[in-house]
Amino acid sequence: GIQVEQSPPDLILQEGANSTLRCNFSDSVNNLQWFHQNPWGQLINLFYIPSGTKQNGRLSATTVATERYSLLYISSSQTTDSGVYFCAVRLQGAQKLVFGQGTRLTINP
Amino acid sequence: GAVVSQHPSWVICKSGTSVKIECRSLDFQATTMFWYRQFPKQSLMLMATSNEGSKATYEQGVEKDKFLINHASLTLSTLTVTSAHPEDSSFYICSEEALGRNEQYFGPGTRLTVT
Repeated sequence: GIQVEQSPPDLILQEGANSTLRCNFSDSVNNLQWFHQNPWGQLINLFYIPSGTKQNGRLSATTVATERYSLLYISSSQTTDSGVYFCAVRLQGAQKLVFGQGTRLTINP
Repeated sequence: GAVVSQHPSWVICKSGTSVKIECRSLDFQATTMFWYRQFPKQSLMLMATSNEGSKATYEQGVEKDKFLINHASLTLSTLTVTSAHPEDSSFYICSEEALGRNEQYFGPGTRLTVT
C-alpha cells in the first residue's frame, strides 16, 4: 500500500519561530489533507491540497504532486499551534485516507 | 467546513459489556463515513468504511463481529464495540465525506476505557 512519511517526528520551538513540516508519499494521490490534532484529540482541517499552494493566515501549504511531497509552513508560531500535525493522502480510485505518523509540535512561550 | 458530532465524548464500561458510539453529520448528508481508532501517541488507524444503506467494509485485521457498524441514514453512523475488553480501550474517531466533496471532516472523538 501507499507509504506516507512525515518529518520531523518531533519539533520544539520558541514562540515566534517559523517551521516547515514535510510529508512524502509513495504513489500518485488525488487527495491530500493537512490536519492539526489539538490536545483534546479533535482533528482540525487545515488544508485540502492535492496540488499547488494555499495560504490561510500564518499557515500555508504546498504540494508538488509530481515529486510526491507536501510542505506545511507555520510562521510566527504561537503556543496554541502546539499539537500533532497529520498529513493524509488518498490514492486515485480509493475511498480511504492513509495517515502519516504525524509531527508533534511544541511551541514554548 | 462540515460539522460532525460524536456521542458520547467519553465512556467507561466494564469488561464484557457492549458500548455504542454515535457519529452524526450536522450539516451535510454524508455519503460515506469512516471509523478510526487511535492509541496514545500514535497515528489514526482506519477500522472501516461505511456507506449509507450498505454493509461496512472492514480493514484487514479488524473483527467485524466485534466492531459492528451501522449506517442507517445519511446523517448517522454507529459503532458498537461488543463484549469489550481492556485492550479495546482507545480513542475512536469518525469522519464523513459528502458526495462530491473530496475532504473528510472529523468528529471530536470518543475515549473508551474498559475496566
